[in-house]
Amino acid sequence: DGGITQSPKYLFRKEGQNVTLSCEQNLNHDAMYWYRQDPGQGLRLIYYSQIVNDFQKGDIAEGYSVSREKKESFPLTVTSAQKNPTAFYLCATQRRADVPPTDTQYFGPGTRLTVL
Amino acid sequence: QKEVEQNSGPLSVPEGAIASLNCTYSDRGSQSFFWYRQYSGKSPELIMSIYSNGDKEDGRFTAQLNKASQYVSLLIRDSQPSDSATYLCAVNPNNAGNMLTFGGGTRLMVKP
Repeated sequence: DGGITQSPKYLFRKEGQNVTLSCEQNLNHDAMYWYRQDPGQGLRLIYYSQIVNDFQKGDIAEGYSVSREKKESFPLTVTSAQKNPTAFYLCATQRRADVPPTDTQYFGPGTRLTVL
Repeated sequence: QKEVEQNSGPLSVPEGAIASLNCTYSDRGSQSFFWYRQYSGKSPELIMSIYSNGDKEDGRFTAQLNKASQYVSLLIRDSQPSDSATYLCAVNPNNAGNMLTFGGGTRLMVKP
């Protein structure tokens, strides 16, 4: 995870509440990503951002929102519209956001969200 | 059909043996391929990247890419109990910018 921090490490939410997961990086990477991982499953892309003040929906964006006001920060809000939010949330960064071959994506330590 | 497929396992090998992990992908135009290791409860960490057909070696790890057959594999020589983890294959599909598509992962168990 290196220069990528995610907080909190564990988060408990009551149904109907919105919660915001933090992701901060000091790697000066252009691109940032949010993934969701369910038990025994691979990673699914929620949102990504390749530049400040711009972001795109991934495969499972419904019920989530993001912002990218600073290069270093890409917070994810899990809204009450997300029906099954209990999962492991991973933030990743990538040095550049342009032509492949793709730069490696580096992952933060993750936030485990549980809905009570 | 899933875009990136891996056998979920568990794959069980004795300590010191070679572990062979396989991954197939559906997009023939895919250009970049990555293997990540994920310990239980932790985030993925990069082991290998490979872009060209053939083998790429790094210590005990060898990645093999065959674009014609659309598969990528990871060999772990002299497997150690500390190699026990889930191994995720990630592929950059054609026309996907810098996006990665992940397989579901293969759980490897190395028994002492």
